[in-house]
Amino acid sequence: DGGITQSPKYLFRKEGQNVTLSCEQNLNHDAMYWYRQDPGQGLRLIYYSQIVNDFQKGDIAEGYSVSREKKESFPLTVTSAQKNPTAFYLCASRAIAGGSGTGELFFGEGSRLTVL
Amino acid sequence: AQSVTQLGSHVSVSEGALVLLRCNYSSSVPPYLFWYVQYPNQGLQLLLKYTSAATLVKGINGFEAEFKKSETSFHLTKPSAHMSDAAEYFCAVSDDTGGFKTIFGAGTRLFVKA
Repeated sequence: DGGITQSPKYLFRKEGQNVTLSCEQNLNHDAMYWYRQDPGQGLRLIYYSQIVNDFQKGDIAEGYSVSREKKESFPLTVTSAQKNPTAFYLCASRAIAGGSGTGELFFGEGSRLTVL
Repeated sequence: AQSVTQLGSHVSVSEGALVLLRCNYSSSVPPYLFWYVQYPNQGLQLLLKYTSAATLVKGINGFEAEFKKSETSFHLTKPSAHMSDAAEYFCAVSDDTGGFKTIFGAGTRLFVKA
């Protein structure tokens, strides 16, 4: 079955450590996204990518980094510069058909990061 | 710039009662509008979407939403709530500009009482 796989589901980190969250999709979607979810704040966009080897900052990119070396993969690194990294992180993808943004997002199951 | 406002962070209804979750949007170009549902510790699933066809959109699980341009609204309704509808619901807006970003509202948690 096609879908998006995020790993790990739960992750604990000590302050000062970088961690990388994995996101893989087999939907053949061009665009991929990382969102951060905090209670009462909805989903906030961290980074997004429309094509391989290209990505753009979202609204809250500071303290995060990404890469897009393959169409299927869009890993997110939470660096030690992120001051409040404890959150639920969601990866999503969408098809971009004919230059239109009508396609819905498909989400992974999320990764919950806790800083100890 | 796009934005989404969901009125009410929590809504409580009795089983069998009408569900109404409110969403207002702001967009400088024709928008695409979505409702997603999230169950605890899971990703989001699409309920329904509006992409400039019929203004009344039917989705899964008996939900529907009506696009009203004059009111910049896209409220979600269901005639009769079921216990399994208890979840968090997000309204979202996208368009054909700005890298096809999707902007989400803060979410509304729906509680269903027996």
